[in-house]
Amino acid sequence: EDQVTQSPEALRLQEGESSSLNCSYTVSGLRGLFWYRQDPGKGPEFLFTLYSAGEEKEKERLKATLTKKESFLHITAPKPEDSATYLCAVRPPSAGGTSYGKLTFGQGTILTVHP
Amino acid sequence: EAGVAQSPRYKIIEKRQSVAFWCNPISGHATLYWYQQILGQGPKLLIQFQNNGVVDDSQLPKDRFSAERLKGVDSTLKIQPAKLEDSAVYLCASSLRGGEQFFGPGTRLTVL
Repeated sequence: EDQVTQSPEALRLQEGESSSLNCSYTVSGLRGLFWYRQDPGKGPEFLFTLYSAGEEKEKERLKATLTKKESFLHITAPKPEDSATYLCAVRPPSAGGTSYGKLTFGQGTILTVHP
Repeated sequence: EAGVAQSPRYKIIEKRQSVAFWCNPISGHATLYWYQQILGQGPKLLIQFQNNGVVDDSQLPKDRFSAERLKGVDSTLKIQPAKLEDSAVYLCASSLRGGEQFFGPGTRLTVL
């Protein structure tokens, strides 16, 4: 069974204090690892998709990296507006070889950035 | 581009009552998903549609939950009868042929 574990469960940072969030996964034949941001009372907002070990993607202060067992979301010089829950999800191969495999989400990391 | 629309945003019912949620995906997105998100957890897929057909409903409690997607566009998710443990946010998402998923704002259900 596919498993996704995120750590830490909650992270408090001071504005400008860089850090990383971890997403450990167990899936056979990964077909994509996804990062989402979720603000209170809203649906998850897509950030990145990573497909292979060694791949990196960046967006503003966020950088996502992928290895064969985990992914990291690095936050450089965070601002209070980066406060949110960050969700990681994996997509395994689907039956029949199509790209319709369902996403399995982790429980999320609640990030709070204080001014 | 308009995003995924969901209604209602909030619903409070008593246990054993029925409830229905509606979703309108992004125009042109063939794949539609319904997720359940319990407080403090990540979303859990309930059902996935490709156009009109069901691709995956392995985690849908079929004794009380049902979903349909008529004409391959809008979708409804129904719970009948509701239990206390159904209290959660119900998220709808859509994607182009199973790619990146875009989520709606969700419906927060409280079962008393």
